[in-house]
Amino acid sequence: DVKVTQSSRYLVKRTGEKVFLECVQDMDHENMFWYRQDPGLGLRLIYFSYDVKMKEKGDIPEGYSVSREKKERFSLILESASTNQTSMYLCASSLDQEDSTDTQYFGPGTRLTVL
Amino acid sequence: GEDVEQSLFLSVREGDSSVINCTYTDSSSTYLYWYKQEPGAGLQLLTYIFSNMDMKQDQRLTVLLNKKDKHLSLRIADTQTGDSAIYFCAEKEDSSYKLIFGSGTRLLVRP
Repeated sequence: DVKVTQSSRYLVKRTGEKVFLECVQDMDHENMFWYRQDPGLGLRLIYFSYDVKMKEKGDIPEGYSVSREKKERFSLILESASTNQTSMYLCASSLDQEDSTDTQYFGPGTRLTVL
Repeated sequence: GEDVEQSLFLSVREGDSSVINCTYTDSSSTYLYWYKQEPGAGLQLLTYIFSNMDMKQDQRLTVLLNKKDKHLSLRIADTQTGDSAIYFCAEKEDSSYKLIFGSGTRLLVRP
């Protein structure tokens, strides 16, 4: 079974703090993704990575950065957290584009509240 | 641009069938997916359909695809209280990493 884990289920931070959200997958997947989920908006892609040290912006990258130093780990960084970044953050991974369905497997999510 | 739309809410009685609908705009979509999200959890892949298929059945789940109308539906037979969740439709182009998600349909199953 594919397992995608996220470092925290719930996180409360103050405005201006630097926040790290960590995601680890144990299936040697090439691709990793960070989404945020907000009511009525579904999932929106923040960043994704298709290889170590490689990253591409998604639909809403502003205010976020990412790091992928090792294949199994993909970090989302909020350099200076703001209240409008309060959201549920979901990490996902997928095997490779060559896999015809390229199914994404999701972690349990981190609910971040910025006060 | 790409857009995926779903109704926000559906309520059914236990034992009835549920039909969750989705429309998408990108005619080059190759794969269409249904994910389920239970409260407090991540998304779980339920099923997917390739765009050259009209129908796919997997136990209680039936996926119907009308490519002409860009309409996808998920039918759950004999709906149970454990089926209460948010269901997301998503589309993907063959040459892309990206999934485009709908806003999700919250299914409530009443006893």
